[in-house]
Amino acid sequence: ETGVTQSPTHLIKTRGQQVTLRCSSQSGHNTVSWYQQALGQGPQFIFQYYREEENGRGNFPPRFSGLQFPNYSSELNVNALELDDSALYLCASSSGLNAGGYTFGSGTRLTVV
Amino acid sequence: AQSVTQLDSQVPVFEEAPVELRCNYSSSVSVYLFWYVQYPNQGLQLLLKYLSGSTLVESINGFEAEFNKSQTSFHLRKPSVHISDTAEYFCAVSSPLSGSRLTFGEGTQLTVNP
Repeated sequence: ETGVTQSPTHLIKTRGQQVTLRCSSQSGHNTVSWYQQALGQGPQFIFQYYREEENGRGNFPPRFSGLQFPNYSSELNVNALELDDSALYLCASSSGLNAGGYTFGSGTRLTVV
Repeated sequence: AQSVTQLDSQVPVFEEAPVELRCNYSSSVSVYLFWYVQYPNQGLQLLLKYLSGSTLVESINGFEAEFNKSQTSFHLRKPSVHISDTAEYFCAVSSPLSGSRLTFGEGTQLTVNP
């Protein structure tokens, strides 16, 4: 049974650019959530996808968007990058809407310069 | 709305000493409570969780936490820590009404010294 895989592990972008982060869910999981973890802080909920539909969103602007594909993998897209977007982005998958069953990936470290 | 307060940002202890990491939550509905551990440059690993039933929950590596509804707390304890327990610990809350959205605290850095 594979866990949650995120790619890339690190990347550097310039302010104003766009970025796409990818997440492969754990086998059998149909729900994906994305979190932003700024340095020295706890993770903040961005949004969740359940069976390819957005199912809840945190306090993030519309330039943060996502997709979930039929195989339940997911993308997080961020447009018009700002310096404050620098953070560790974590993907978590679960079977159904079950916070107790979350499995987190190792994250993508995004640096905006 | 839900919130989590981790009362200590850093907790230094000596090896084999007991430790308590404190967590208080705020919620107007019933809650599920979690502790996650994060090692450097890694994602989050679930340490233990309270969903219902017994208020005392245990992990496989010696940690335990007790859900105290009257004090709205979910403190994490270990009677004897090891060097390998050095990590960042996050308390989190969700509820049946929030789906599986987790609200995290700011984290507590546990450093175990020899």
